[in-house]
Amino acid sequence: QITLKESGPTLVKPTQTLTLTCSFSGFSLESSGAGVGWVRQPPGKALEWLALIYWDDDKRYRPSLKNRLTISKDTSRNQVVLSMTNVAPVDTGTYYCARRRTGIDYFDYWGPGTLVTVSS
Amino acid sequence: DIQMTQSPSSLSASVGDRVTITCQASQHIARYLSWYQQKPGQAPKLLIYDASKLETGVPSRFSGSGSGTDFTFTISGLQPEDVATYYCQQYDNVPLYTFGLGTKLEIK
Repeated sequence: QITLKESGPTLVKPTQTLTLTCSFSGFSLESSGAGVGWVRQPPGKALEWLALIYWDDDKRYRPSLKNRLTISKDTSRNQVVLSMTNVAPVDTGTYYCARRRTGIDYFDYWGPGTLVTVSS
Repeated sequence: DIQMTQSPSSLSASVGDRVTITCQASQHIARYLSWYQQKPGQAPKLLIYDASKLETGVPSRFSGSGSGTDFTFTISGLQPEDVATYYCQQYDNVPLYTFGLGTKLEIK
């Protein structure tokens, strides 16, 4: 059974760094073709892809946020971490991690999401 | 960047109706398109991939078609549990995945 779950702070102050952890089970990020990504959703708005890390440690970022995002993985702990620097109220939303289907570029399993509010 | 134009943004239909949502890509994406269902307060759920392939376990009343730039998502026989927002997503121009703005489906 494949599961993912996001964790991290629910409230972050503007200019701070947001760090979110995705803990997953049921698959290995060491397997060829595997990947885990992050997608966010501002309240009442559409989904927005942020970053993705592949099994070979290749990393890709949304160009408009590239300077603020860092994605990393800890395969021994089955975790993927996303950091976002210099957050602002516009970064408020639900953050999801999701599994890239092996070798194919859509997301087949998603975590339940974690709501992050950026406010002073 | 590839833009995905999804329409309508919302619609209301009766139980049993046939519902159609369209998604248009700003450039050719072959069949690299997926559809997701998001119920209120829940994560998105994969329904369709490669434009027309039904994800395992998804009811057969859901279907997808299209290729190139124009795609259609259909629910044949709307059920009350289908109330949700539906999103298309292109994965031709990876890893810059692009989602449509969503279609909110309600029951009349």
